[in-house]
Amino acid sequence: AQTVTQSQPEMSVQEAETVTLSCTYDTSESDYYLFWYKQPPSRQMILVIRQEAYKQQNATENRFSVNFQKAAKSFSLKISDSQLGDAAMYFCAYRRRGGGGSEKLVFGKGTKLTVNP
Amino acid sequence: NAGVMQNPRHLVRRRGQEARLRCSPMKGHSHVYWYRQLPEEGLKFMVYLQKENIIDESGMPKERFSAEFPKEGPSILRIQQVVRGDSAAYFCASSPDRGGEQYFGPGTRLTVT
Repeated sequence: AQTVTQSQPEMSVQEAETVTLSCTYDTSESDYYLFWYKQPPSRQMILVIRQEAYKQQNATENRFSVNFQKAAKSFSLKISDSQLGDAAMYFCAYRRRGGGGSEKLVFGKGTKLTVNP
Repeated sequence: NAGVMQNPRHLVRRRGQEARLRCSPMKGHSHVYWYRQLPEEGLKFMVYLQKENIIDESGMPKERFSAEFPKEGPSILRIQQVVRGDSAAYFCASSPDRGGEQYFGPGTRLTVT
């Protein structure tokens, strides 16, 4: 079974600084997706960024970028120029691709990010 | 284009009562996933449905929980004889096809007293 591990329960960053959130995962599949979701106090799940495992290039969305190391099964999220609105729980998630089975999302336990003014 | 809708947003039930949670997928989406988030935890998969079919229920507790997605109307997650341990946030997500992006609803927070 696939598992996702986030080893940092809490992180903090100063406004305008850069922070990196860690995620590792375990799978025997070769084709899959990895995601970072943001969950603010409203509890709405917001997709931040997505990475296809077959793509070597790291995904980037404005101030958010990932460092995807497939061999190491590592998928970290870097937030640059942190803003107060970035404060939230961040969840790393895995989803297999194809194969005929259920493409459910498997989530880590989350990292609570605090942004200090 | 309205997003995924869930109602009610908050539901309070006494132990032993039934809870019904509704999920209306995005227009054009025929695939629905239900996830449960316990306090201080990530989301955990419960069930995956396509219209009128349960595709994967490997995450559903064996007793008291059931789900449906009829041809017409919303998907329903039903919890019979609720217990305090059922208190959680329940999220549904919809997608246009099996491998499509999943779009999340705002969740239903169930409190069992």
